[in-house]
Amino acid sequence: GQNIDQPTEMTATEGAIVQINCTYQTSGFNGLFWYQQHAGEAPTFLSYNVLDGLEEKGRFSSFLSRSKGYSYLLLKELQMKDSASYLCAISGGSYIPTFGRGTSLIVHP
Amino acid sequence: DGGITQSPKYLFRKEGQNVTLSCEQNLNHDAMYWYRQDPGQGLRLIYYSQIVNDFQKGDIAEGYSVSREKKESFPLTVTSAQKNPTAFYLCASQGGHTIYFGEGSWLTVV
Repeated sequence: GQNIDQPTEMTATEGAIVQINCTYQTSGFNGLFWYQQHAGEAPTFLSYNVLDGLEEKGRFSSFLSRSKGYSYLLLKELQMKDSASYLCAISGGSYIPTFGRGTSLIVHP
Repeated sequence: DGGITQSPKYLFRKEGQNVTLSCEQNLNHDAMYWYRQDPGQGLRLIYYSQIVNDFQKGDIAEGYSVSREKKESFPLTVTSAQKNPTAFYLCASQGGHTIYFGEGSWLTVV
């Protein structure tokens, strides 16, 4: 089976940097996704990591360590519109995506 | 435009009724999924299909049924056996490494 852990909620200040962690246990691993979801809307794709290391995409970066079962999403220069839920998901041995409970990020002025 | 279309956006169900949520994609994807999301929770897998005419139960399949008669269509029926169906339902398809979501359907029991 699979288990994914993320903090339930985080707060940060506009313009700051925030790191959202995700730890996982899985019997098979093909990749790790990060999705952003605003309240009442569908999730939107942010990143997909297969290999260890950091992948940067504009203000957002995602890091993966397969040996530690650990990933983080780094958001820089926070904006109010970044207030959303951030979902970590694993593509396991069957390639079926399994999602964590999500981390609700609140950005305040 | 390519994408996934879910309908209806909002649906009300009376006790004892079955309701069907529609999901259509024109992305030519083989894999399709149905997830349920409760307030403040993550996505839980209901059913999935990796190829036409075949589907498998996910983690919370009880009280739900699906069909996959066409590649582009994967409807979900919420049966009267589902005792707590009020939730946000998301349909998704997968092409390569990316999962694409529909806009979601809100189901409320009245």
